[in-house]
Amino acid sequence: EPEVTQTPSHQVTQMGQEVILRCVPISNHLYFYWYRQILGQKVEFLVSFYNNEISEKSEIFDDQFSVERPDGSNFTLKIRSTKLEDSAMYFCASSRDRVGYEQYFGPGTRLTVT
Amino acid sequence: QQQVKQSPQSLIVQKGGISIINCAYENTAFDYFPWYQQFPGKGPALLIAIRPDVSEKKEGRFTISFNKSAKQFSLHIMDSQPGDSATYFCAASGAGNNRKLIWGLGTSLAVNP
Repeated sequence: EPEVTQTPSHQVTQMGQEVILRCVPISNHLYFYWYRQILGQKVEFLVSFYNNEISEKSEIFDDQFSVERPDGSNFTLKIRSTKLEDSAMYFCASSRDRVGYEQYFGPGTRLTVT
Repeated sequence: QQQVKQSPQSLIVQKGGISIINCAYENTAFDYFPWYQQFPGKGPALLIAIRPDVSEKKEGRFTISFNKSAKQFSLHIMDSQPGDSATYFCAASGAGNNRKLIWGLGTSLAVNP
């Protein structure tokens, strides 16, 4: 069964450093998302991406964040200058199309900023 | 208006019992209501979902009940098993092309053997 994959599973970085989180969505999916989950809290939407551009972004997704689909399979989230409060689980999700609605999530990347 | 309120925060059920988790929303533009199951250290897994044109959807031991007029929906887990012990999130989406999910706070379910 196709699944969303994410790498790395755990990333430790120092405050102010840049990190890139990688995702490989399900191959025939067209809509891509990043969400984050701070420990013990609810899942929060960060950004949606379709047709090589951002469809919507949340207030959390400020200028320090960017997304890219550099090739036909990868979808990346970059945080330019990490802050302590960026420590969270970051989940990538993909959806086949708007009609299908269903979003399938990867296993997540745990980002720890020290 | 964008919130989804979920209760209870935690739930303990005996094996074989019924687990019931409730969610409420305010935005009438929401038109898709999924439930996700999450085990520790894993990503959320889509469990079951419903659209407002039906009042109930059943898949195996899992049932969603949907009350459009009350703007509420609930997850029922029949014959709860210890393997069902996980965190359950309700969510909602709609109102636009991007289908972002708005999440509830989650319910930690423990099923005692």
